[in-house]
Amino acid sequence: GENVEQHPSTLSVQEGDSAVIKCTYSDSASNYFPWYKQELGKRPQLIIDIRSNVGEKKDQRIAVTLNKTAKHFSLHITETQPEDSAVYFCAARRRDDKIIFGKGTRLHILP
Amino acid sequence: GAVVSQHPSRVICKSGTSVKIECRSLDFQATTMFWYRQFPKQSLMLMATSNEGSKATYEQGVEKDKFLINHASLTLSTLTVTSAHPEDSSFYICSAPTTIAGGSGELFFGEGSRLTVL
Repeated sequence: GENVEQHPSTLSVQEGDSAVIKCTYSDSASNYFPWYKQELGKRPQLIIDIRSNVGEKKDQRIAVTLNKTAKHFSLHITETQPEDSAVYFCAARRRDDKIIFGKGTRLHILP
Repeated sequence: GAVVSQHPSRVICKSGTSVKIECRSLDFQATTMFWYRQFPKQSLMLMATSNEGSKATYEQGVEKDKFLINHASLTLSTLTVTSAHPEDSSFYICSAPTTIAGGSGELFFGEGSRLTVL
């Protein structure tokens, strides 16, 4: 089945700097890759997603890149702010349409 | 965006009892809903897929007799944790994909239910 690996598990960056989180997936049939932000005790919130027919997508300070050949995708957050502190999950949709999550990255924005 | 509501948000029960969690899609119909479980500081693990009008499908390693799923209508799925034990204590969260034509099938999550089994 689909396996989604996510790195790093913890990331600390200075406020204003950029943060990058990387994921790889195993199922070559995967065609949809969402990223979720989860604050403590709350539900995951979709922050950006990308489909397999594009290589990059940007929404203000957030961007995602996808390399289908290498089967990896990355989240980039620029000009980080304190409210960006949270746990971020990458995910991939399996060939049976189920969405499988990576293990998560705890992002700390340092003042 | 689409709204998924989950109830109860917190439940505490004694070992051996059963607990029912409801998941509703409020402004769209969901023929499919997914149930995830999340232990503290861990990822969301897919437990099962709830299918309206047919049996749920379970991920490998998930006991179907322990986690009963019923998809009674196009807007309601329930998860019943039967004979709960302390190791079943977790955050259970449901989700439903959007069915908008041309959409990506984005998942919308319920608020989650934190189960504590004493």
